[in-house]
Amino acid sequence: GESVGLHLPTLSVQEGDNSIINCAYSNSASDYFIWYKQESGKGPQFIIDIRSNMDKRQGQRVTVLLNKTVKHLSLQIAATQPGDSAVYFCAQGGYSTLTFGKGTMLLVSP
Amino acid sequence: DTEVTQTPKHLVMGMTNKKSLKCEQHMGHRAMYWYKQKAKKPPELMFVYSYEKLSINESVPSRFSPECPNSSLLNLHLHALQPEDSALYLCASSRGLGGNEQFFGPGTRLTVL
Repeated sequence: GESVGLHLPTLSVQEGDNSIINCAYSNSASDYFIWYKQESGKGPQFIIDIRSNMDKRQGQRVTVLLNKTVKHLSLQIAATQPGDSAVYFCAQGGYSTLTFGKGTMLLVSP
Repeated sequence: DTEVTQTPKHLVMGMTNKKSLKCEQHMGHRAMYWYKQKAKKPPELMFVYSYEKLSINESVPSRFSPECPNSSLLNLHLHALQPEDSALYLCASSRGLGGNEQFFGPGTRLTVL
């Protein structure tokens, strides 16, 4: 989603729920998309990536879906745990750079 | 070694000081990056180095001066900064340019007084 001012969109879930974080991207020429997790006080950490010739990719407890028709990317986290609490950024890759989306804060309560 | 390290972790400096941020990786990556991140915002690209040469400068003010002494090291020299330059400065590296995962360091938290 879009952030307004200093407020990050926030998704609050209960431990054990499935979480879905969405991202709209702007550059239809991008061929590489990536999700990062950033915990407080740390640098972004790679979660999963996907290339534009795919529409779904699965990792351990995470799935990324890419819909190029509507320029939409989503991250699904299965059985969300308190350790998943963080800010999640999507990013789209150009030739030499990554452009980050605005981020979504995921809060997981026990 | 799959780490990007950054020093110092925290830095407080006055507007007349000169300081440097350091970044190191030993993954054999040939592209290295500096980003600036303000609170609750995404990282913003500042500089890209490819094969130790400056490839991209995202119109960054000259008070920030990058340097890539060798393929493992990336420095960011700071001089005459402003309070609004206070932010988390992140270094990243990737195998090459384009379509490659960028590995991020933990960042340097910079405060300019």
